[in-house]
Amino acid sequence: DVKVTQSSRYLVKRTGEKVFLECVQDMDHENMFWYRQDPGLGLRLIYFSYDVKMKEKGDIPEGYSVSREKKERFSLILESASTNQTSMYLCASTNLPGQGDSLGANVLTFGAGSRLTVL
Amino acid sequence: QQPVQSPQAVILREGEDAVINCSSSKALYSVHWYRQKHGEAPVFLMILLKGGEQKGHDKISASFNEKKQQSSLYLTASQLSYSGTYFCGTDAGLSDYKLSFGAGTTVTVRA
Repeated sequence: DVKVTQSSRYLVKRTGEKVFLECVQDMDHENMFWYRQDPGLGLRLIYFSYDVKMKEKGDIPEGYSVSREKKERFSLILESASTNQTSMYLCASTNLPGQGDSLGANVLTFGAGSRLTVL
Repeated sequence: QQPVQSPQAVILREGEDAVINCSSSKALYSVHWYRQKHGEAPVFLMILLKGGEQKGHDKISASFNEKKQQSSLYLTASQLSYSGTYFCGTDAGLSDYKLSFGAGTTVTVRA
């Protein structure tokens, strides 16, 4: 089974702190994603990466950056945490369409999530 | 742009049926359905591709109307295990790697 591991399940940080959320996948997937989940808003895409050192902005990138130095690892960085970044953060990965068990499209495997509270 | 899901929530008794709808303002290549149980990661259920292919979960079915850019998920003879939040995700094509998700529909199945 594909595993997507988010190292921190719960974090509490103070306003202005720099925050790193780490995500590792073990199935050699090309694409990795960071989503933010809020009640009533569903999952919103922050950033994604389709290759090492490549990144693209999603729908809500403001206040965030990402790093992908190795294929298996995708980090989300909050340069200066703010209270409105209190949320559940979900990492996901997928193969390229047509590869492996992708079912011909971008089927995502999610991590269990990192719940961040900014005080 | 996020697809729109309805209803926001539904409460069922075991054995009852429900329909969850997902609509988009843009042309779609595929529609995905995921279910998230409380405190867990969303899990893939089903995918519907442009052209009519349907794959995935055999206890829950779905339809995809490409012309109307809509999809519906059908929960038939619901079981307690169907409880959770259901999300639809859409993309515009094979080269569009990212999925946009709806706000979710919370399904509660009671005995």
